[in-house]
Parts: sequence; structure tokens; C-alpha cells
Amino acid sequence: DGGITQSPKYLFRKEGQNVTLSCEQNLNHDAMYWYRQDPGQGLRLIYYSQIVNDFQKGDIAEGYSVSREKKESFPLTVTSAQKNPTAFYLCASSIPRDGYQPQHFGDGTRLSIL
Amino acid sequence: AQSVAQPEDQVNVAEGNPLTVKCTYSVSGNPYLFWYVQYPNRGLQFLLKYITGDNLVKGSYGFEAEFNKSQTSFHLKKPSALVSDSALYFCAVRERGSQGNLIFGKGTKLSVKP
Repeated sequence: DGGITQSPKYLFRKEGQNVTLSCEQNLNHDAMYWYRQDPGQGLRLIYYSQIVNDFQKGDIAEGYSVSREKKESFPLTVTSAQKNPTAFYLCASSIPRDGYQPQHFGDGTRLSIL
Repeated sequence: AQSVAQPEDQVNVAEGNPLTVKCTYSVSGNPYLFWYVQYPNRGLQFLLKYITGDNLVKGSYGFEAEFNKSQTSFHLKKPSALVSDSALYFCAVRERGSQGNLIFGKGTKLSVKP
């Protein structure tokens, strides 16, 4: 079955540490997205990529970095510059040229501070 | 600025009763409109979308949504609620004709009691 796999499901970060969240998709989608979800705030866009080797900042990119070396993969690094990283992180993918196509989501990674 | 409002943080209904989850938007033109559902510690699942045509859109699990252009609303409905419908529901919009990103509402928690 096609889908999006996020790992790990739970992640703990020590102060001053960078951590990387994995996102892999086998839907053959060109576009991929990272969202942060906090209670009562909905989803906020961190970064997105419409094509391999290209990505754009979303609304809350500070303290985060991404890469898009392969179509299937879009890892997110939460750097030590992100002072409030505790949240639920969701990865999504879609067909970018068709704006009416829905985004498909992974099951998320919950990041907490140790 | 583009925005989506879900005016109710929580909606409570009894099993078997009809349910409505409200969504209004502020986006130029005729946007694409989406509803997603999220169960605890899971990603978002696509329910339905409005592109054009009939104002009543049918989706997964017996849900439907009514597009009202004059009121800029896209309310989610179901004739008979199930306890298993209890979840967090998100409305999202994208400006038509653009490759712009989805704008999400803050979510409405639906609680269906037996």
C-alpha cells in the first residue's frame, strides 16, 4: 500500500542537541510538506518542497532545516536554535500541479524535551 | 490575508443525532475547500473536498459538506453521528489556480456520546 512513513513515533531531545525526523513516501508525489501541530493552534507550515533539490520556508521555519535529495524523502532537522520544539510534527505529500488534490499525511512524530 | 475560521472548539452530540461542524473562510475568488479528520496520535485523514459544481459534497464515512458562496462557509455534516466519529476535524482552503499552500483552521473536537 502506498503511503507516508514517519519515524520515530516518539523522540526526545536534550538541550543543545539537533534531532532529525524522517519522512518517506512511496506515493510518487512531487510535493512534500512539514507541519507543526500544537494543541488549539491547528497546523502551521514549517517547510515545503515542490520538487527534488528545492524547498521553501513556510510560516515558522526558524530553528528548523530540511533537505530534499530524493523524491521519496524529506527529513526535518530540529536544531538547537528552536527553543520550544515540543510538538507533534506531521509530514504530508501531494501532487503539486493540481491544487485541488488533497494532501496525504503520515502518522506524525511527537517530540519532547528531556 | 487568507484565513479559515472554525468557530467552535468543541461540538457535543448524542449518538444517532445529526452533527454539524462549522467552517468559514476568507480567501479571494472561489477556493478549493477540504475537510480532514484526525484521531488521537495519528495523522490527518482526508474526508472530502469541494472543487466546483454541486454545493453539497459527499465524502468518506457518511460525511458531507455544504458549500455556501454567499456566506463563505463550508460546514461539515452527518445525518446520524456515531461514537466512532469522535475526533478532531480540520477545515482547509487553497486559493484556486495557485500552487499556494493549504491554510488550516484550528480544528474542532467532536465528541459523540452514546
